[in-house]
Amino acid sequence: DAKTTQPNSMESNEEEPVHLPCNHSTISGTDYIHWYRQLPSQGPEYVIHGLTSNVNNRMASLAIAEDRKSSTLILHRATLRDAAVYYCILRENRDDKIIFGKGTRLHILP
Amino acid sequence: EAGVAQSPRYKIIEKRQSVAFWCNPISGHATLYWYQQILGQGPKLLIQFQNNGVVDDSQLPKDRFSAERLKGVDSTLKIQPAKLEDSAVYLCASSLDTGGYETQYFGPGTRLLVL
Repeated sequence: DAKTTQPNSMESNEEEPVHLPCNHSTISGTDYIHWYRQLPSQGPEYVIHGLTSNVNNRMASLAIAEDRKSSTLILHRATLRDAAVYYCILRENRDDKIIFGKGTRLHILP
Repeated sequence: EAGVAQSPRYKIIEKRQSVAFWCNPISGHATLYWYQQILGQGPKLLIQFQNNGVVDDSQLPKDRFSAERLKGVDSTLKIQPAKLEDSAVYLCASSLDTGGYETQYFGPGTRLLVL
């Protein structure tokens, strides 16, 4: 079973920031927090990952709570091409399995 | 850099027929995965290879599904005989190595419809 909890769907306006929440209250000290997204009719693609500190890359930012029991994926300026299902995933350091939940379906309104 | 290639992209068969899917991972990637994604759900891991050896096939229905990765590069996934509930998208992914920090790169998938 997936060890994360995400809202089923969210909406956001184009060109506005989007904050996608994820709860992972049973996270262990060696679990990495990964985000993947799946655009329509495509395979999932990597977005970002982190362990303890906040992370930034060209696609998004990842904000991790101090107790690591939750995290937020931040898209700074959503475009229509960001409409996708976003998956929040915990992965143990030595375990490369990805267990996908149902994710959050993000709708972008023009 | 070329991504993960899969073929065919679409396949329609009748139940009890057999079908095979092909995957070519990113060059140099040691680990290869096959996932099954049923409509409305997240992908589910079927089998994981490290080079040409099986690491995990605990979720593979071995009475009808088989997979191989000869020479540690390309891989094929076969279903024989197919059932209606096998209708899904079959995704192949690869990563450079194993480990929870390794990024998995996914192919576009093969959409299978069993009638």
